[in-house]
Amino acid sequence: NAGVTQTPKFQVLKTGQSMTLQCAQDMNHNSMYWYRQDPGMGLRLIYYSASEGTTDKGEVPNGYNVSRLNKREFSLRLESAAPSQTSVYFCASKAGTSTGELFFGEGSRLTVL
Amino acid sequence: GENVEQHPSTLSVQEGDSAVIKCTYSDSASNYFPWYKQELGKGPQLIIDIRSNVGEKKDQRIAVTLNKTAKHFSLHITETQPEDSAVYFCAASRNNAGNMLTFGGGTRLMVKP
Repeated sequence: NAGVTQTPKFQVLKTGQSMTLQCAQDMNHNSMYWYRQDPGMGLRLIYYSASEGTTDKGEVPNGYNVSRLNKREFSLRLESAAPSQTSVYFCASKAGTSTGELFFGEGSRLTVL
Repeated sequence: GENVEQHPSTLSVQEGDSAVIKCTYSDSASNYFPWYKQELGKGPQLIIDIRSNVGEKKDQRIAVTLNKTAKHFSLHITETQPEDSAVYFCAASRNNAGNMLTFGGGTRLMVKP
């Protein structure tokens, strides 16, 4: 019963390097989300996908791109990492497209030097 | 867009006492208010939610109250136990496609045995 799985759990990058965070859910959920968590700022939405084939910007999309590869998978890409992108990243999914429970992964801690 | 303020940022209580965490929101169209609990090293998990057509909701030792006129909602935990120690987040959203949740900054609750 995996739920939402994120990889990698930890990553250290140098400024300017690129990387992709992978997320997969096995609950047949329609909506998927990427959040970043910084101390004292709660969780801020980067991008979301309300359904397979669609993606939309959230509150803090600059410097990121996403791909909804299929219903199960939603990846987050940093093309040219910056120190300001040092954060803990969470992927989440939800069954429907309206209000309801978000199921979160365990997070990916990214450090950009 | 929506803005959610959460207070206090840290809260320390004795085991058995009650804990109250308060949030205010700015968007009068918001109608869904969940609370998430995040334990160390894990992703947030939904503990209770309330919709705008309800003023109060209880689930065992936890309860949430909503005042739509004042645009604030609160989490109440009674008979606190050491396992209640965690970071708690409030959130708010409209019932729109994608259902973008806006989170508060979080409250670190410490229950002292």
